[in-house]
Amino acid sequence: AQKVTQAQTEISVVEKEDVTLDCVYETRDTTYYLFWYKQPPSGELVFLIRRNSFDEQNEISGRYSWNFQKSTSSFNFTITASQVVDSAVYFCALSDLDSNYQLIWGAGTKLIIKP
Amino acid sequence: KAGVTQTPRYLIKTRGQQVTLSCSPISGHRSVSWYQQTPGQGLQFLFEYFSETQRNKGNFPGRFSGRQFSNSRSEMNVSTLELGDSALYLCASSLETDSYNEQFFGPGTRLTVL
Repeated sequence: AQKVTQAQTEISVVEKEDVTLDCVYETRDTTYYLFWYKQPPSGELVFLIRRNSFDEQNEISGRYSWNFQKSTSSFNFTITASQVVDSAVYFCALSDLDSNYQLIWGAGTKLIIKP
Repeated sequence: KAGVTQTPRYLIKTRGQQVTLSCSPISGHRSVSWYQQTPGQGLQFLFEYFSETQRNKGNFPGRFSGRQFSNSRSEMNVSTLELGDSALYLCASSLETDSYNEQFFGPGTRLTVL
């Protein structure tokens, strides 16, 4: 069965530090999609990135970067020079044929950025 | 373009009652999905509607139901509420129903069952 594991329940860092959020997934399908969402205290989930299983290129968007490695079934998310506004819960999610392409969510990592 | 809206934002009910939550997707989006979020179980998929038809359903009891109207607005209903139904209910819309379509989420409805 598919599964998404975010082993870090909570991470606390001081502003300007770099921080990496880990995501490990399990799927039997060769075609699948991986996502990261951010949930600030307001509750609304905000889409950050989508990656399909055939595209292992790392991606950088401003201070955010993602490292997708099929060999280790990981899709890690790094925030460079963190800011207080980055404080939120971050979710990694997987969709594949087995799930009828509905999102299977990780438990989330609560990120606290201290000033 | 207006985002996904959900009403009401907060709701307090008692056990045994029923509740209806509403979701208006982004204009032009035809797919609406519902999720339940609780501290214990995390985010769980409830169901997805596309063009007024339920396309996918998660592993929830029959007390949870939904529907979609011709204007893509969706409602979900929970009957015979239990304490464990207390949760944040999130609605998401996307253009189509395929996996690679980004889902846009609403702010959620926080349901408290007493």
